[in-house]
Amino acid sequence: DGGITQSPKYLFRKEGQNVTLSCEQNLNHDAMYWYRQDPGQGLRLIYYSQIVNDFQKGDIAEGYSVSREKKESFPLTVTSAQKNPTAFYLCASSMVGPGELFFGEGSRLTVL
Amino acid sequence: GENVEQHPSTLSVQEGDSAVIKCTYSDSASNYFPWYKQELGKGPQLIIDIRSNVGEKKDQRIAVTLNKTAKHFSLHITETQPEDSAVYFCAASFGNSGYALNFGKGTSLLVTP
Repeated sequence: DGGITQSPKYLFRKEGQNVTLSCEQNLNHDAMYWYRQDPGQGLRLIYYSQIVNDFQKGDIAEGYSVSREKKESFPLTVTSAQKNPTAFYLCASSMVGPGELFFGEGSRLTVL
Repeated sequence: GENVEQHPSTLSVQEGDSAVIKCTYSDSASNYFPWYKQELGKGPQLIIDIRSNVGEKKDQRIAVTLNKTAKHFSLHITETQPEDSAVYFCAASFGNSGYALNFGKGTSLLVTP
């Protein structure tokens, strides 16, 4: 089945540790995105990429890093510099140009 | 990024009634306006969208209207059912973020039998 796969679904980490969230898509989409969701805050854009080996910061990129070495993959690293990393993280992909974003099922990160 | 305001934040209706959710946006260059439904613990799913060259679009019980002059758009759900209970997000796209979407803060809709 075509779609977006995020892993892990749940993740617990100690404060000060870096964490990498995986996002893979088999929709042949050029663009991929990472959003963060907090209760009552909607979805906020962290990073996006329109093409392999290129990505741009979104509204809340501080404390996060990404890579786009393959079209299918867009992993997100939550670094120890992110002051409040506990959140629900959503990955999405789309064709380039205004249109539907297809979302994964999300990864819930809890930092203890 | 673009400011997208969404109201109300919570909405409770009786089964069979209509529900209306409203959004405003700030960037007059926005040209794509989707609505997403999110169920608990899952990713959002597109339910309907509209582009700036159209004023209204309907799909069965769901409709979206767009007023580009006033920069607002609305979601209308008629004959609501309990399975419509979820969080609904409006969004607007704009060119300088690679057509990423800016989302409103969401409306939690509860349909009571």
